[in-house]
Amino acid sequence: NAGVTQTPKFQVLKTGQSMTLQCAQDMNHEYMSWYRQDPGMGLRLIHYSVGAGITDQGEVPNGYNVSRSTTEDFPLRLLSAAPSQTSVYFCASSYNKDRGDYGYTFGSGTRLTVV
Amino acid sequence: KQEVTQIPAALSVPEGENLVLNCSFTDSAIYNLQWFRQDPGKGLTSLLLIQSSQREQTSGRLNASLDKSSGRSTLYIAASQPGDSATYLCAVRGTDSWGKLQFGAGTQVVVTP
Repeated sequence: NAGVTQTPKFQVLKTGQSMTLQCAQDMNHEYMSWYRQDPGMGLRLIHYSVGAGITDQGEVPNGYNVSRSTTEDFPLRLLSAAPSQTSVYFCASSYNKDRGDYGYTFGSGTRLTVV
Repeated sequence: KQEVTQIPAALSVPEGENLVLNCSFTDSAIYNLQWFRQDPGKGLTSLLLIQSSQREQTSGRLNASLDKSSGRSTLYIAASQPGDSATYLCAVRGTDSWGKLQFGAGTQVVVTP
């Protein structure tokens, strides 16, 4: 049982480049979400999904795209990287009613630097 | 909008003392509240989950209480150890916030030997 797997763990991008942060969970959770964590700002929600094919914006969605074609995967796309997107990104999943699993499980994070 | 506050922001105690960490939230319409631990440079590890119908949850030396009507939760860590040094975060999921957690800023704990 791997939980929530994020790749890559570290990434350096140049301004204007695009990339996709990968997130996969094997707990058959309905909910998945992306957060960014910045010093002094805490954890802020970027995008979230309540099921395959359903996504919505969080608190800080600008510059990011998501899609959810399967229950397991929820990739986060940076369209044109900017230095302001330098951050640590966490993917999380939750909610399997059949297992009584209502809490959130977080991945180990992706540390992104945009230069 | 739900606001989650954690007091104090930082706490230093000698080994063996009990830790008391506070979390308050402004909207009592919550589905559950979850406490996490975060070590420097690492991800979030879930400690305890309290559903809105529960008053407390316990795991080993950890006990979390929930008073939904007053918008408060407290995490107690008994007989603290240096290995308990970390940042502790509480997060609330609202009844109308499917898929979303609102986090507090965290309490940074240092337990000195």
